[in-house]
This record gives sequence, C-alpha cells and structure tokens, in this order.
Amino acid sequence: QKEVEQNSGPLSVPEGAIASLNCTYSDRGSQSFFWYRQYSGKSPELIMFIYSNGDKEDGRFTAQLNKASQYVSLLIRDSQPSDSATYLCAPEGGNTPLVFGKGTRLSVIA
Amino acid sequence: GAVVSQHPSWVICKSGTSVKIECRSLDFQATTMFWYRQFPKQSLMLMATSNEGSKATYEQGVEKDKFLINHASLTLSTLTVTSAHPEDSSFYICSATPQGEYSNQPQHFGDGTRLSIL
Repeated sequence: QKEVEQNSGPLSVPEGAIASLNCTYSDRGSQSFFWYRQYSGKSPELIMFIYSNGDKEDGRFTAQLNKASQYVSLLIRDSQPSDSATYLCAPEGGNTPLVFGKGTRLSVIA
Repeated sequence: GAVVSQHPSWVICKSGTSVKIECRSLDFQATTMFWYRQFPKQSLMLMATSNEGSKATYEQGVEKDKFLINHASLTLSTLTVTSAHPEDSSFYICSATPQGEYSNQPQHFGDGTRLSIL
C-alpha cells in the first residue's frame, strides 16, 4: 500500500517569505513525483513534477527530491497571498493512479 | 496543454435519483482515466480506474453497482451514481493522461463535479 505523508498545517508564512512544504512517501520504487495545488472547492492543478534526485526550478517554485530518504519538497519563494491553498504531493502518474496524502494547507499572510 | 473537461460542474437532486457525470479529454486520447471523490476537508480518494473498452477497476469499499463507470471511447468516461443518497454528496473529480504516456508524465484533472443530494 503506497502512502504519502504531509504535515497538514496550516503553514503560515508572511508575504514575501519562502514557504517550505515537505512530503515523504513509502514506496521506494516510486520514480516520479508531482506537486499539485488545490484551492478550496476546486480541483487540483499541476505545479511541478520531478523524477531525478536534486533540485528542479520553475519560476518561484523549486522541487527537491531525495530518493534515498524517500523525501520530496516544494519551496515557494516570494510567497504571495494567492499562493494560499492546499498543496498535494503524489508519486507516480501516467496510467498509474496518484496516491494523495492529506496535503499541506498554506496560508500566506499579507 | 492537455485539457480534461468534466460535466456537469454542479448537480443538486433528490434522493433516489441517478446522476451521470462525464469526463472528456479534449485534445488527447486516454486509455485510462481515474475517478476520485473528495469529502469536505479531506484528501482525494481514488474510487476507480476506468479502462477504455473493458471493465473498470474499483478500489476497496467502492460499490461497483452503485458507481457505474463506462469508458466507451478514448476520449470519454462516464460515472453514474445510481440511486444517489445524501451520503453520496461529494466532490467528484476525474483525471487522465495522454495515451502512451508513462509514469513520469502528469495526470490532468477535470474541474470536478459537486454533487448535492437532498
């Protein structure tokens, strides 16, 4: 049974700060990892995906993956109030169903 | 980019009614689509995997006779909630990945259907 663990939060950061969201997963065989953002009442939208150890940057977002530690994180630089949402980490994709944790609720305070 | 359309976005109906939700991949073909359900303040839970031209695979605890899934073409999967009751009220979301894509490609979500059973 694949499991994903995230701190449910809420994680509160001031506007302009760096928000750090963390995720651990149980299946050592997982190869790809996806970060989705979900606003209240809306469906998830893809933020980033990563499948190699190390960092991957896209604008204000940086995903970090450490397969040995089974750990993936998402950094949001210059956080904005519009970043306030629940962030979901999910391993795998394609024709394999995503396994979601409870997500981390981020609140960016203006 | 890949777009998944879900319809309707909101349904309110009486207890005992059957409700059909459509999930379409607009600019790609998908042999596999997924149906999720989300209750308030909870995480998305996978209900079933919809396979084009074959039977759906249901997760443990999901009644296949209550949640009928039909994946008749490479661009359309439907979820029918039969004889819906208030406890079926939830946010239903589908997702799909372009045919031939492997696990390192993201799934694309529809906008979801909010179902309210009175």
